[in-house]
Amino acid sequence: AQSVSQHNHHVILSEAASLELGCNYSYGGTVNLFWYVQYPGQHLQLLLKYFSGDPLVKGIKGFEAEFIKSKFSFNLRKPSVQWSDTAEYFCAVKGVSNYQLIWGAGTKLIIKP
Amino acid sequence: EAQVTQNPRYLITVTGKKLTVTCSQNMNHEYMSWYRQDPGLGLRQIYYSMNVEVTDKGDVPEGYKVSRKEKRNFPLILESPSPNQTSLYFCASSPSGANTGELFFGEGSRLTVL
Repeated sequence: AQSVSQHNHHVILSEAASLELGCNYSYGGTVNLFWYVQYPGQHLQLLLKYFSGDPLVKGIKGFEAEFIKSKFSFNLRKPSVQWSDTAEYFCAVKGVSNYQLIWGAGTKLIIKP
Repeated sequence: EAQVTQNPRYLITVTGKKLTVTCSQNMNHEYMSWYRQDPGLGLRQIYYSMNVEVTDKGDVPEGYKVSRKEKRNFPLILESPSPNQTSLYFCASSPSGANTGELFFGEGSRLTVL
């Protein structure tokens, strides 16, 4: 069955620490990959996306993600987090010939000032 | 301003009392969708619509209805709400049909069914 797994449900970091949030997917075919972010009390918004080409993609607010096809992974990274990065992060996958997004359960990130 | 607007944002109701959550987008998007968000479960799709008069079930459609009579509106109807429908609901729309996976979300509607 198609699925998306986010390894950590909760992550707590101090400001300036480096961040890596894991995302692995199970899907038999070519995929498009996404990270969405939900700041406290707000709606989800697109952080970054991968469709094709360079597997290292850059998004807003200094975030980046690397698609490793052999590992079925799309991990989110940021070299130095800020308190304002406190949010819930969702990984999502879509087959290129499909219409539905498959969502991970989300990772709540808390940044201590 | 480009946006997806949901109403109401907060609602407390009782079991069995029909309610409608409205969703409207002003971006001329063809694709619209409803999700519910529950702790530890991520987002689960309830229904989606590829275009006017075209709707289809998502992963958790039981207890919900939708309609798409106009491009901009996609209301979610709970004919007889039950406590297990207490959740945070999001409407979303997408440009260029559903192919891109790039969704624009509304602010969310928090529903409590007593």
